[in-house]
Amino acid sequence: DGGITQSPKYLFRKEGQNVTLSCEQNLNHDAMYWYRQDPGQGLRLIYYSQIVNDFQKGDIAEGYSVSREKKESFPLTVTSAQKNPTAFYLCASSIDWGPSGGNIQYFGAGTRLSVL
Amino acid sequence: GQNIDQPTEMTATEGAIVQINCTYQTSGFNGLFWYQQHAGEAPTFLSYNVLDGLEEKGRFSSFLSRSKGYSYLLLKELQMKDSASYLCAVGRNRDDKIIFGKGTRLHILP
Repeated sequence: DGGITQSPKYLFRKEGQNVTLSCEQNLNHDAMYWYRQDPGQGLRLIYYSQIVNDFQKGDIAEGYSVSREKKESFPLTVTSAQKNPTAFYLCASSIDWGPSGGNIQYFGAGTRLSVL
Repeated sequence: GQNIDQPTEMTATEGAIVQINCTYQTSGFNGLFWYQQHAGEAPTFLSYNVLDGLEEKGRFSSFLSRSKGYSYLLLKELQMKDSASYLCAVGRNRDDKIIFGKGTRLHILP
């Protein structure tokens, strides 16, 4: 079955620690995205990648880093510089970049990150 | 700038009809999406509108008026499983980004 897999489902971070959230897709999509969701807030874009070996900062990139070395993988690292990392993190992918033509984003099941 | 407004919460009864409104202001409109998100789960795509009018898909319909910056999602014959958050998202021309609203949490009563 095609889809997007995020792991782990739950993650705990200690003070000063970097943690990495995994996102893998087997949909052969070019574009991938990372969003952060806080209670009562919309999805906010952290980073996006239009194609393999390329990525761009979204609206709230500070304290986060990504890589896109393979088409199917887009891991997100939450660094110690992110002072308020507790949130629900969602990874998504779409056939290509942008909303034109109803370019649908497909989401993973999310990773809930908490600080110890 | 970009602004998307939707009601925070709504309540409706099983078997009834509910309309969830979304108003937006954007510099360069490029389509409007509706997603459904059950608590703690991934958002799933419901509908896409880029031209004015009504798009019907089973029990769900979505309407768009570009001149008014307004859309609604209409859910008919409500079922308990429709209890979820409904996210309105607007495509923006100038950078091809999709901006999400805060979502409307819909509660269905038996």
